[in-house]
Amino acid sequence: SQKIEQNSEALNIQEGKTATLTCNYTNYSPAYLQWYRQDPGRGPVFLLLIRENEKEKRKERLKVTFDTTLKQSLFHITASQPADSATYLCALDEDTGANSKLTFGKGITLSVRP
Amino acid sequence: KAGVTQTPRYLIKTRGQQVTLSCSPISGHRSVSWYQQTPGQGLQFLFEYFSETQRNKGNFPGRFSGRQFSNSRSEMNVSTLELGDSALYLCASSLAVGARTQYFGPGTRLTVL
Repeated sequence: SQKIEQNSEALNIQEGKTATLTCNYTNYSPAYLQWYRQDPGRGPVFLLLIRENEKEKRKERLKVTFDTTLKQSLFHITASQPADSATYLCALDEDTGANSKLTFGKGITLSVRP
Repeated sequence: KAGVTQTPRYLIKTRGQQVTLSCSPISGHRSVSWYQQTPGQGLQFLFEYFSETQRNKGNFPGRFSGRQFSNSRSEMNVSTLELGDSALYLCASSLAVGARTQYFGPGTRLTVL
């Protein structure tokens, strides 16, 4: 069966460290993989998109890798800050055509302590 | 530019009732998608509309329906509510079908008693 796993429900780290969040999937062939951030009581906010033929994408302190052989994406936040505390969702998009249907993981809640 | 707006923000209904939720996309966005979010199942895709036509549908029963108007605003309806329908319902808009990035609204928190 199809499954998206985000490695843990919660991740606690010290301010200034690098947070690494994992997204594993089985029985999917995503053309794109996206990461979103969700704060309590709010809708998800798009962070980064990476295509199947890209290995890595960066944006400021954020970095995403995508390994279609391992069926895994890693999301890194360097020099983490308490303001980075939120739930992070990965989303797979298998469609390469006009129709886009995102399938989300359940998310990882990151807590950055001062 | 204003973001995606959803009304109402909170709603309490009883089993058997029906409910209609509304979503106004970002100006210029023509595609609207709906998602259900629960602690147990996470964020699940309901359907997507573009140019007043349903383009894609998730695995939800027929009690869940939607529509889109000519101004791209969208509504979703849930009939014969069940306790398990209690969830956060999120609307997301994008420029067009196939545009990968989704812009989410704040959601409508539905509680079914």
